[in-house]
Amino acid sequence: AQSVTQLDSQVPVFEEAPVELRCNYSSSVSVYLFWYVQYPNQGLQLLLKYLSGSTLVKGINGFEAEFNKSQTSFHLRKPSVHISDTAEYFCAVRRYNQGGKLIFGQGTELSVKP
Amino acid sequence: DGGITQSPKYLFRKEGQNVTLSCEQNLNHDAMYWYRQDPGQGLRLIYYSQIVNDFQKGDIAEGYSVSREKKESFPLTVTSAQKNPTAFYLCATEEGPTDTQYFGPGTRLTVL
Repeated sequence: AQSVTQLDSQVPVFEEAPVELRCNYSSSVSVYLFWYVQYPNQGLQLLLKYLSGSTLVKGINGFEAEFNKSQTSFHLRKPSVHISDTAEYFCAVRRYNQGGKLIFGQGTELSVKP
Repeated sequence: DGGITQSPKYLFRKEGQNVTLSCEQNLNHDAMYWYRQDPGQGLRLIYYSQIVNDFQKGDIAEGYSVSREKKESFPLTVTSAQKNPTAFYLCATEEGPTDTQYFGPGTRLTVL
């Protein structure tokens, strides 16, 4: 069975500092990986995804993530955060080429302070 | 997202009443999903449909029902059998070739 673990439930950071939101997954088969962002009382917006190819994936709003197969991780990074990045971030995984369920982590609340 | 609409945005219901949440899409995606979100938890799958006139139960289907009569529409009914229906409900569609899901703005249901 697949599972996703987001290692930090809350990450406070000062504006213009770098940030890393950690995500680990477990799966016995190849997977697709996703990061979504959710602003208060809104739906989820796709930040980036890894389907295949280069392990460094660039997304919207200056975010990027690196797929590490040996460590089964897909950490999200941004070199300099803004107040507007304050939101909840979800990592998700699904099995490669088999459709079906998208498994979500519990979410990480990023709080950017001035 | 702009191609997925959910209505209403806020919904209040008395205990014992059924209520239907609307989800409409113009993205021409075959698959549609309903999730429930509670504070401090990730998203949990209620029902999904990969094609018109067909749907499958997710992890927490008890107390919910769906229909898929049209490609564009996937309404969710929260029945009186759902013991704790107060939550944020999210509808999603899936782009087939990339297996990527896109989400609507959500409906917040409160049972009074």
